Amino acid sequence: DTGVSQDPRHKITKRGQNVTFRCDPISEHNRLYWYRQTLGQGPEFLTYFQNEAQLEKSRLLSDRFSAERPKGSFSTLEIQRTEQGDSAMYLCASTFRGGPGELFFGEGSRLTVL
Amino acid sequence: KQEVTQIPAALSVPEGENLVLNCSFTDSAIYNLQWFRQDPGKGLTSLLLIQSSQREQTSGRLNASLDKSSGRSTLYIAASQPGDSATYLCAASRTDKLIFGTGTRLQVFP
Repeated sequence: DTGVSQDPRHKITKRGQNVTFRCDPISEHNRLYWYRQTLGQGPEFLTYFQNEAQLEKSRLLSDRFSAERPKGSFSTLEIQRTEQGDSAMYLCASTFRGGPGELFFGEGSRLTVL
Repeated sequence: KQEVTQIPAALSVPEGENLVLNCSFTDSAIYNLQWFRQDPGKGLTSLLLIQSSQREQTSGRLNASLDKSSGRSTLYIAASQPGDSATYLCAASRTDKLIFGTGTRLQVFP
């Protein structure tokens, strides 16, 4: 097991385009989180799943954002009609519910909206 | 609402110094507190996790302490090395999600 993996690592897009990020968590982890981080700030919570159920969404997650985890394994985060303010690092993390709660992060997907 | 603050925001020290990074949180009813390291442009690497029932955790040259009553945690780095240069983030969880501070950017010069 190589940890949490995210794809793509970098995405440059024009304003108004749709983008999708994928996250593959550590295989035995049943919880998956999405965070967003802008330059000089700490990560901000967006949403999380337990298995395939989306349990909480932040107010930061506008209607243009949608996340799924259809089979309780990998997850996707889609941003529709991107805006320049969406430029950020999108981080995925996973953990095992019932364990000590240590969160493991991927390398992130950096989005630049021109 | 949980708020996490880290002091100092930046720190530059010569190699070999022992360091203390500070983290404070407003809601003391936390489940656990986690320290991370982040290199520029990279994801977060977990360093130490302290459960709410614990007072400290150690890993190599790193030691993290937790004082829930005062809403504080400290990360102690012994004998700092240039390879320790990175941003250090603390995060506290009361519900099922971590709330992060803005980090301490550490530079260790030879």
